[in-house]
Amino acid sequence: ETGVTQSPTHLIKTRGQQVTLRCSSQSGHNTVSWYQQALGQGPQFIFQYYREEENGRGNFPPRFSGLQFPNYSSELNVNALELDDSALYLCASSRDPFLYGYTFGSGTRLTVV
Amino acid sequence: EDQVTQSPEALRLQEGESSSLNCSYTVSGLRGLFWYRQDPGKGPEFLFTLYSAGEEKEKERLKATLTKKESFLHITAPKPEDSATYLCAVREVGSGNTGKLIFGQGTTLQVKP
Repeated sequence: ETGVTQSPTHLIKTRGQQVTLRCSSQSGHNTVSWYQQALGQGPQFIFQYYREEENGRGNFPPRFSGLQFPNYSSELNVNALELDDSALYLCASSRDPFLYGYTFGSGTRLTVV
Repeated sequence: EDQVTQSPEALRLQEGESSSLNCSYTVSGLRGLFWYRQDPGKGPEFLFTLYSAGEEKEKERLKATLTKKESFLHITAPKPEDSATYLCAVREVGSGNTGKLIFGQGTTLQVKP
């Protein structure tokens, strides 16, 4: 059983640019959540997708957007990058968030300069 | 405001020296408390889910307990390989259909041989 795979592992972008991060969920998992983890902090919920629809969003501006595809893989897009967007971006998948714990990927380390 | 606070922020133990990590929470209604382990540069790894006060779960040298206001992660006779950041997260009743988790900032544990 494969786990959650994220790509790329590291990324450096310039302020104002746009970035797309990718996530392949664990086999059989139809729910995907994205989290932002700043250095030394706990992860913060960005949004969740269930069967290709966003069904929950945290306190993040609209320049953070996402997609989920029919195979349940997902993308996180961030427009107009700011220096404060530098963080570890984590993808987590689950068969059912209310019955099972989430499986997290290893994350994408984004640095905005 | 809903909040999850972990203490201490950092803990250094000698191998074999047992201790406890604390997670206190204030949410309108608890729908699950989660413990994760996170190694440097990696995503969180699921350890336990607790749902009701009085519940306990064990895994190897780790034991998690839950009261109405806090949870403890007890580490018995730790080994150097237990060194990691331990994250506590809660899911509240008002999270709707999402599995949104509210994380604490983590406790970084270092176990010296």
